[in-house]
Amino acid sequence: DSGVTQTPKHLITATGQRVTLRCSPRSGDLSVYWYQQSLDQGLQFLIQYYNGEERAKGNILERFSAQQFPDLHSELNLSSLELGDSALYFCASSVDLYVPRNEQFFGPGTRLTVL
Amino acid sequence: AQTVTQSQPEMSVQEAETVTLSCTYDTSESDYYLFWYKQPPSRQMILVIRQEAYKQQNATENRFSVNFQKAAKSFSLKISDSQLGDAAMYFCAYRSAGYGGSQGNLIFGKGTKLSVKP
Repeated sequence: DSGVTQTPKHLITATGQRVTLRCSPRSGDLSVYWYQQSLDQGLQFLIQYYNGEERAKGNILERFSAQQFPDLHSELNLSSLELGDSALYFCASSVDLYVPRNEQFFGPGTRLTVL
Repeated sequence: AQTVTQSQPEMSVQEAETVTLSCTYDTSESDYYLFWYKQPPSRQMILVIRQEAYKQQNATENRFSVNFQKAAKSFSLKISDSQLGDAAMYFCAYRSAGYGGSQGNLIFGKGTKLSVKP
């Protein structure tokens, strides 16, 4: 158990819908990363937050957005869903922003299926 | 932009034998970190080993060791005395040593699926 929690574990929805994925980082971790794992694209970085502020963006679609709340939990919002958005979405956390050797601890992921 | 390549989609090893997984990367940076992550069927991402580019000594964690060749931009993982529990997807990942911004995220290879035969 990494200490990072993600809910829900599984999500099945239809095209055109909107969903919210939730992540709670390890206690004391200020930095949260979202990654998408799909069969064709592999593991890709989406977005990073640090202490409530967006710090970096990767290959995140405009239909996707995220935020980090004062209690440090983060939510990834996916809208106008398409079949190709079906993937495993990981949240990872690390203690800070400025020590790159620090491990990123991954949550168990949310499996999203778009029908 | 940095890229990570794992050229072996699948590998197989006999229990108790040794196997080496390959990884190459491309970067113009001189300081960075390299990681191997394990993803078993449970899908949990587990850090296996990390290597700091400025350290010439290869990292070792119990049965896991790396062969880091900075000039060749190669970072292979050796698993000794393979066990059934080692069966998993293995991902090689790169992280810039720069501070802040997009340099903090991990860049992953496509992965190598390792099977362990009893």
